[in-house]
Amino acid sequence: AQKVTQAQTEISVVEKEDVTLDCVYETRDTTYYLFWYKQPPSGELVFLIRRNSFDEQNEISGRYSWNFQKSTSSFNFTITASQVVDSAVYFCALISNFGNEKLTFGTGTRLTIIP
Amino acid sequence: ETGVTQTPRHLVMGMTNKKSLKCEQHLGHNAMYWYKQSAKKPLELMFVYSLEERVENNSVPSRFSPECPNSSHLFLHLHTLQPEDSALYLCASSQARTNTEAFFGQGTRLTVV
Repeated sequence: AQKVTQAQTEISVVEKEDVTLDCVYETRDTTYYLFWYKQPPSGELVFLIRRNSFDEQNEISGRYSWNFQKSTSSFNFTITASQVVDSAVYFCALISNFGNEKLTFGTGTRLTIIP
Repeated sequence: ETGVTQTPRHLVMGMTNKKSLKCEQHLGHNAMYWYKQSAKKPLELMFVYSLEERVENNSVPSRFSPECPNSSHLFLHLHTLQPEDSALYLCASSQARTNTEAFFGQGTRLTVV
C-alpha cells in the first residue's frame, strides 16, 4: 500500500514571501518515485519534478527547490520570492514498483499568493 | 498546441443522456489514463491503457466505458450517470506505464443534472 499526505489544505502568503509545501509519503517499497504537479485554474496538472528514491540530493530550479528526506519520508517543495502566478493547487504524488505501479496523489495544497 | 488535449472542456448532461469525452495526445506516448477529480478528494485513477490495451480498471462503475482505438486517442463513454459523478475528468499520458511522469490535459468539467 502507498499513501501521500499533504496536511496543508490551503496556504496564503503575501507576494515575495517564501513558502514551503509539505509532503509526507508512505510506501513499503525501496524503489519508488516522487512527483510534484501544479494545477493552475485552467485545470491541467503541470509536471514539475520527478525524484527517485535513490537520489536524496536536493534540487533547485529557479525559484523552486525540493527537499527530499528519506529519514522522515518527506518531499517538501519551497517557492522563494513567491509571485501571483504561483497561485495554484499543488499535488505531491508517489509511484512505486510494487504498489501496482499506480500514481498515488495527495489531496493537494491550494496556494494563494496575495499581491 | 498542448501535448494532451481534451474535449469538451465543459459538459452538462442529464442522467439519461449518453455522451463521450475525448482525449488526444501528441507526445508519442504509449500509456494513457483517465482520472476523476472530485472536490476535496485525491485524484482517483479510473483506467489505464498501455499500447492500446486496457491494463487497469479500478472498480469503476459500468456506466463509465473507456475506449482506446489507437495510442493517440482515448475516449470515455458515459451513460446513465448519477449526480455524484459530477467532477473534473482528467486524461493523461506517459512514455511508459511505469516510473515516468504523466502529462495531463486540461480536463472536462462534467456536471450531471
